[in-house]
Amino acid sequence: GAVVSQHPSWVICKSGTSVKIECRSLDFQATTMFWYRQFPKQSLMLMATSNEGSKATYEQGVEKDKFLINHASLTLSTLTVTSAHPEDSSFYICSARGRLATSYNEQFFGPGTRLTVL
Amino acid sequence: EDQVTQSPEALRLQEGESSSLNCSYTVSGLRGLFWYRQDPGKGPEFLFTLYSAGEEKEKERLKATLTKKESFLHITAPKPEDSATYLCAVLTGSARQLTFGSGTQLTVLP
Repeated sequence: GAVVSQHPSWVICKSGTSVKIECRSLDFQATTMFWYRQFPKQSLMLMATSNEGSKATYEQGVEKDKFLINHASLTLSTLTVTSAHPEDSSFYICSARGRLATSYNEQFFGPGTRLTVL
Repeated sequence: EDQVTQSPEALRLQEGESSSLNCSYTVSGLRGLFWYRQDPGKGPEFLFTLYSAGEEKEKERLKATLTKKESFLHITAPKPEDSATYLCAVLTGSARQLTFGSGTQLTVLP
């Protein structure tokens, strides 16, 4: 149990276009979802936290108009990178925490999405 | 401010050579300490959650322990497939998200 999927696993786009990444909790209800960004050889950097049906809370320095997050249901969150530029190229990872029999605190991660902006 | 420090940054072991990874933390009100494994180009894979000092959990060749100041991830007789980056993270009473350490990159040589 506790599986989180992401789609797509990789995407290449031209500068100025928008890209949407989906994150789904497959076998549990995710009351909270998180979006991270990871640069090579570095740890995860939290971008934003979203609760189902509420607006996302963004970390300091993260542009909310550039990284649009929607958590429309208990199993789906989306991250849209608007007007992408080469500096937005990175590895984006979502994670979910929710109603599990084992523990409410455990957080499970998706496989990540590699974004390359040309 | 919550702080999590992992050591060493990198560790190379021969197959079968047991060792330990360290995660030391300075937090207010620990709600849980988490260990994850991350392979290159993949998302972190959940390994363990520890909640209180003295707690231990095991999974195959891995054993995680927790004290009031640090956690250890013991790897017994590692195999090359154990090569990965191991991440430690804490969840505290004041925060609603995990604080990660920088990770230990483990390489097990055949």
